[in-house]
Amino acid sequence: AQSVTQLGSHVSVSEGALVLLRCNYSSSVPPYLFWYVQYPNQGLQLLLKYTSAATLVKGINGFEAEFKKSETSFHLTKPSAHMSDAAEYFCAVSGKGGKLIFGQGTELSVKP
Amino acid sequence: DTAVSQTPKYLVTQMGNDKSIKCEQNLGHDTMYWYKQDSKKFLKIMFSYNNKELIINETVPNRFSPKSPDKAHLNLHINSLELGDSAVYFCASSQIRADTEAFFGQGTRLTVV
Repeated sequence: AQSVTQLGSHVSVSEGALVLLRCNYSSSVPPYLFWYVQYPNQGLQLLLKYTSAATLVKGINGFEAEFKKSETSFHLTKPSAHMSDAAEYFCAVSGKGGKLIFGQGTELSVKP
Repeated sequence: DTAVSQTPKYLVTQMGNDKSIKCEQNLGHDTMYWYKQDSKKFLKIMFSYNNKELIINETVPNRFSPKSPDKAHLNLHINSLELGDSAVYFCASSQIRADTEAFFGQGTRLTVV
């Protein structure tokens, strides 16, 4: 069975600091991995996805993630946090029938 | 022009009532989904329809009945609402291929009192 674990339910950074949100996956087949962002009272928006084309994936809003098979990880990073990055972030793996299996989510707070 | 739209955005109702949530997508996708987000923000698949055929039913109580009249619409009807049904319900759509992303609606916040 496939699963995703996000380490840290809450991460707080200062504006301008590095953002690192951790995601580890478990999958018996080569995984397709996604990062979504959810702003308050809104739906989920795709940040980026890994589909085996390249291990370093660039997404929207300056985010990127690196797929590391040896570590079964797909951590999300951004070099410099903005106040507008404050949101809930979800890592997900694609399962049967196209369904997404989500991690528990990480709330990112950005301090001025 | 909204890609995945669901109505209503908010729904407050009493225990025992029956309610429906509607979803429409204009992306031409062949697969639509219902996800439930609980109070701890955990997201879990409930149902999936591919070309109007139910392909995923994740141990959801049979009080929940999805209906897909066509590929662009997926509705969720809930009978005999219970307090524990309070959650945010998200509709999503995608192509059924595992490497394609899903597009989500804005969510329906259901509160059962």
